[in-house]
Amino acid sequence: QSALTQPASVSGSPGQSITISCTGTSNDIGSYNLVSWYQQYPGRAPKVMIYEGYKRPSGVSNRFSGSKSGSTASLTISGLQAEDEADYYCYSYAGSSTNWVFGGGTKVTVL
Amino acid sequence: QVQLQESGPGLVKPSETLSLTCTVSGGSISNYYWSWIRQPAGKGLEWIGRIFSNGATNYNPSLKSRVTMSVDTSKNQFSLKLSSVTAADTAVYYCARVYGLELDVWGQGTTVTVSS
Repeated sequence: QSALTQPASVSGSPGQSITISCTGTSNDIGSYNLVSWYQQYPGRAPKVMIYEGYKRPSGVSNRFSGSKSGSTASLTISGLQAEDEADYYCYSYAGSSTNWVFGGGTKVTVL
Repeated sequence: QVQLQESGPGLVKPSETLSLTCTVSGGSISNYYWSWIRQPAGKGLEWIGRIFSNGATNYNPSLKSRVTMSVDTSKNQFSLKLSSVTAADTAVYYCARVYGLELDVWGQGTTVTVSS
């Protein structure tokens, strides 16, 4: 089962916007708009930030947004803040044989 | 609000079976899927599988031959068994609720070390 491909790290200055990509295939992201994104601080459990590609759970800042193009999903963080420094993971349905798969994770650093 | 708590041995010997339980509080286990996810130290998340409250399961193909999940609705618990463990199974193990298509509530995680 192959993980979805994410950049290992992304960085930005406070106030800037950054985008984290999550590249899959026609068997997962390309076929389903079922990607969710998770934020994880060191030593803590992940927290859902985006679901079904672009929807935000109640309580999640509107600085977080999700989108998809082809087989690539993206998470954009606008107005970057120090508290956004964390690891981010994408997660997608990948069909009935593979089921569900995570991306490899991206470490976001606020400069 | 719903809370999840993992429990089980923190140390398992190689070739033995890892057994963990997730207790659901603040809500019913019924009519939801429940997942297990693991994370080796310093590495990414790996989906292990999920179980519905009626016992229906889906497993990660790479672990399927060694994984068994079960649910006990009377105790509001679900469980994971992973057989023939090796050092590669050393990880933090999380349980989570599947709400819609996302994992909306997570346990705090429990560390399992495979070592003799």
